[in-house]
Amino acid sequence: EVQLVESGGSVVRPGGSLRLSCAASGFTFEDYTLSWVRQVPGKGLEWLSNINWNGGSRGYADSVKGRFTISRDNAKNFLYLQMDSLGAEDTAWYFCARDNVIGYHYFDSWGQGTPVTVSS
Amino acid sequence: DIQLTQSPSTLSASVGDRVSLTCRASQSISSYLAWYQQKPGKAPHLVINKASTLESGVPSRFSGSGSGTEFTLTISSLQPDDSAIYYCQQYDVYPYNFGQGTKLEI
Repeated sequence: EVQLVESGGSVVRPGGSLRLSCAASGFTFEDYTLSWVRQVPGKGLEWLSNINWNGGSRGYADSVKGRFTISRDNAKNFLYLQMDSLGAEDTAWYFCARDNVIGYHYFDSWGQGTPVTVSS
Repeated sequence: DIQLTQSPSTLSASVGDRVSLTCRASQSISSYLAWYQQKPGKAPHLVINKASTLESGVPSRFSGSGSGTEFTLTISSLQPDDSAIYYCQQYDVYPYNFGQGTKLEI
């Protein structure tokens, strides 16, 4: 069974940093591109970033480019999101998601999410 | 960026009804469109990919159609369990945007 489990969400002050983790199991981790998607409570979904199988290709939404960094550890089956210069607008639930194996960028598996609150 | 506009924002229907949800793209995305179902407090769940391909395990009352800029998700005979927010997502080009969602109330 495919499982994605996020962790690392917490309350952080404006301007602060946070690293989210996503532990993967139940599939061959290095075969897949992985993504982060966030959702402000009561609002829609926002794709943030993705990383290909070996980390050689990474993409970012404009809203987080230069502040967030996606990475992965294929030996440990972990996906990460380093978030710097956080602002109130980054308050949201953060989901990791698995891209389709063929290379199309829709998401066939999702974690349960981890909450991030940016507040003084 | 490609913008996706979903309509209606909210749809109220009854068990057994046939409903259609629309997603319009600001430019052509061929058939690179997915539909997700999200229930309160849960992660989104993939329902349809490539505009019309039903995901394994999704009931056959769900179907998708369209290409280019206009897409439709149809539920042929609503069940109580279909109450959720439905999002479309384009995966033709970066960034892989989502629509704002349609809330389906039953």
